[in-house]
Amino acid sequence: RKEVEQDPGPFNVPEGATVAFNCTYSNSASQSFFWYRQDCRKEPKLLMSVYSSGNEDGRFTAQLNRASQYISLLIRDSKLSDSATYLCVVNRGGSGGGADGLTFGKGTHLIIQP
Amino acid sequence: DTAVSQTPKYLVTQMGNDKSIKCEQNLGHDTMYWYKQDSKKFLKIMFSYNNKELIINETVPNRFSPKSPDKAHLNLHINSLELGDSAVYFCASSPLAGETQYFGPGTRLLVL
Repeated sequence: RKEVEQDPGPFNVPEGATVAFNCTYSNSASQSFFWYRQDCRKEPKLLMSVYSSGNEDGRFTAQLNRASQYISLLIRDSKLSDSATYLCVVNRGGSGGGADGLTFGKGTHLIIQP
Repeated sequence: DTAVSQTPKYLVTQMGNDKSIKCEQNLGHDTMYWYKQDSKKFLKIMFSYNNKELIINETVPNRFSPKSPDKAHLNLHINSLELGDSAVYFCASSPLAGETQYFGPGTRLLVL
């Protein structure tokens, strides 16, 4: 099982629709979870952190299911500007000592169509 | 002011050459990273530095060597460049390892 798995898409979604992505991770010791967004030919940027109780930021909702080891991202009322690649990111967890890092999924490509 | 900056933005060079990419962060973060993003867009970590100590070194050829003159800088030196080294290289930093990372704009390397 890959460390972080995502459906690469592309997801073609009409403007105004709701779209959801899932991501699964293999390391049960992971403690921190994030969604990053990467636009074409740009650097990845943090979209939102994912908290155990679920969290919302405007049109974006992130949820974490530790038992099943998956993370989801829901985008409501999608805009043309939401078109991007969404990267699921999980920290490696581990035995401490500063050896942790982040593992990035390969991303899900979202295209919002007018 | 740019939080994480990289130079150069574009780098075109011949096989066999040696080149360096510079990275600086003004966020006061303790940990810095180098990632490689290949043509398939997979972002793979190469190195991370915490207070000038290498703490992650993935299976990267020893032609690649990170150099950190101080906490705010992590440069990447590449010896004997190969065609397969062509990619986008991103520098990033975080307050501590495992926390949110902030990325530089990337350096697009093309080896001919």
